[in-house]
Amino acid sequence: FMLTQPQSVSGSPGETVTISCTRSSGNIASNFVQWFQQRPDSSPTTVIYEGSQRPSGVPDRFSGSIDTSSNSASLTISGLETDDEADYYCQSYDGSTRWIFGGGTKLTV
Amino acid sequence: EVQLLESGGGLVQPGGSLRLSCAASGFTFSNYAMSWVRQVPGKGLEWLSGVSKTSRNTYYADSVKGRFTISRDNSKNKLYLQMDSLGAEDTAVYFCAKLVAAGVPAAIDSWGQGTLVTVSS
Repeated sequence: FMLTQPQSVSGSPGETVTISCTRSSGNIASNFVQWFQQRPDSSPTTVIYEGSQRPSGVPDRFSGSIDTSSNSASLTISGLETDDEADYYCQSYDGSTRWIFGGGTKLTV
Repeated sequence: EVQLLESGGGLVQPGGSLRLSCAASGFTFSNYAMSWVRQVPGKGLEWLSGVSKTSRNTYYADSVKGRFTISRDNSKNKLYLQMDSLGAEDTAVYFCAKLVAAGVPAAIDSWGQGTLVTVSS
């Protein structure tokens, strides 16, 4: 299956944005979804894992959810800050041995 | 604080081999599964391989199966990726990643800074 993300989203400081990740086949709820942030010229960092868990140090402005009706996962960032400007990738699993990444979404603040 | 420091990248000729290393610190390395992920500059992320905490289970993406070998040395807190039969399509930044559990699959919670591999004559 594939994970499809919008190429870009944008928002102003203080606003809320949502980035979607749509699974092409199979049930989005059958495997956990992760979200990674990658700022320019930096390595990725994990902002959401196992659907809705935040690693220590990630502010609660970041939240993850799934919508089975659209077979998609979403990353919601509230109270946008300029520092949130980055590429965001979703990731899930195909069975137990193959990882699938979305193509990435560029967030402009 | 978790630290993952990759090394071993560089320029290699097509058909050649390279061994990447990842030195881990700040956590009990032997308790966690690990993975390698790569990224062609300017492009998206691609998962390559994962290994369970005891090395009992290893997994590979189809694109590298039979050419790359993941291994770990828990006594040295190191993860490795042996890459053989390299081609231009393997040119990328290679990231070492710590998983949240002992087995694969599991989520990544920490990433290294990456090491660049360039395959060119």
